[in-house]
Amino acid sequence: DSGVTQTPKHLITATGQRVTLRCSPRSGDLSVYWYQQSLDQGLQFLIQYYNGEERAKGNILERFSAQQFPDLHSELNLSSLELGDSALYFCASSGSSGDYNEQFFGPGTRLTVL
Amino acid sequence: AQTVTQSQPEMSVQEAETVTLSCTYDTSESDYYLFWYKQPPSRQMILVIRQEAYKQQNATENRFSVNFQKAAKSFSLKISDSQLGDAAMYFCAYRFPIQGAQKLVFGQGTRLTINP
Repeated sequence: DSGVTQTPKHLITATGQRVTLRCSPRSGDLSVYWYQQSLDQGLQFLIQYYNGEERAKGNILERFSAQQFPDLHSELNLSSLELGDSALYFCASSGSSGDYNEQFFGPGTRLTVL
Repeated sequence: AQTVTQSQPEMSVQEAETVTLSCTYDTSESDYYLFWYKQPPSRQMILVIRQEAYKQQNATENRFSVNFQKAAKSFSLKISDSQLGDAAMYFCAYRFPIQGAQKLVFGQGTRLTINP
């Protein structure tokens, strides 16, 4: 158990809908990262937050947005969903031990868009 | 842009034997980190081993070791005494060294099968 929790585990929705994925980092970790794992694109970095502020951005679609709250949990919002958004979405966190080089991954949220 | 390449989509090995997974990367940076992650059928991403580019000594974690060749930009993973529980997807990853931003760039993965 990495200490990172993600909810829900599975999500099935229809095209055009909006969903919110939630992540709670390890206790004390200030950095949260979101990654997307799809069959055709592999594992791709989406976005990083550090202590509530956006720190780095990857190839995140404009239809996707994220935020980190004062209690350090993070949410990834996906809107106007398309079939191609079906993927496993991972949250990772780092930093509580002063070591930002190791990222601890949550179990992922499996999103299926029908 | 930094890229990570794993040229072996699939590998298989007999239980108790040794297997080496290959990884190459492209970067103009001199300071960075490299990682191998394991993803079993549960889909959980598990860190296997990490290597700091400034360290000449190859990292070792029990049955797992790396061969880090900085000049060649090569970072292979050796698994000794393979066990059935080692069966998984293995991803090589590079840590993008922008200060304050630690995103990981992943290779496409190698699926490792252990034959009993």
